[in-house]
Amino acid sequence: QVQLKESGPGLVRPSETLSLTCTVSGGSISGSYWSWIRQPPGKGLEWLGNFHYGGSTHNNPSLKSRVTVSFDTSKNQFSLKLTSVTAADTAVYFCARIFSYYWYFDFWGPGTQVAVSS
Amino acid sequence: DIQMTQSPSSLSASVGDRVTISCRASQNINNYLNWYQQKLGKAPTLLIHAASILQGGVPSRFSGSGSGTDFTLTISGLQPEDFATYYCQQSYSPPVLTFGGGTKVEIK
Repeated sequence: QVQLKESGPGLVRPSETLSLTCTVSGGSISGSYWSWIRQPPGKGLEWLGNFHYGGSTHNNPSLKSRVTVSFDTSKNQFSLKLTSVTAADTAVYFCARIFSYYWYFDFWGPGTQVAVSS
Repeated sequence: DIQMTQSPSSLSASVGDRVTISCRASQNINNYLNWYQQKLGKAPTLLIHAASILQGGVPSRFSGSGSGTDFTLTISGLQPEDFATYYCQQSYSPPVLTFGGGTKVEIK
């Protein structure tokens, strides 16, 4: 059973970079596509992008070039960086695995709350 | 990009009711439609993929139907544990994956 867990600061200052890590157990990160999804308070789910260890990256166009993801296979982790944050980036952030045969999210982390505030 | 529109955005129902939730795509997505359930404070969980295929362990009172642009999630005999928010997600145009806005099912 694949398990995911997000970690990172719960508070980020405006204009700074939000950094989160997803630690994966029960499966290798190098064999699958992974995703970050966020949920602003009281709102719906927003897909941020899909990422593969092999280099395939697809970001939500609404975020332009603010999102980057890196992989650490030695720790079986992948990390999100979201630059130039504003209050609109306040959300619960989820990492998830993609079952790429049919492109659905089959395993999710519990989520981590991030607030953007000075 | 493909837009996904769910209706209603919320509904009130009683235990035992039959509930239907609609999801409409802005273009033909064949049957590349998935449904998730999200309980308060938790991550979403996959209920149905390919419009109608129930995930293992999901109760049979959940069913999905539809093809093309119009899809339905039906709960036949609502149970107390089913009060949650439901999201559809299209997987027709990977790697771009889009969610609907969600439907909150509340207790009447």
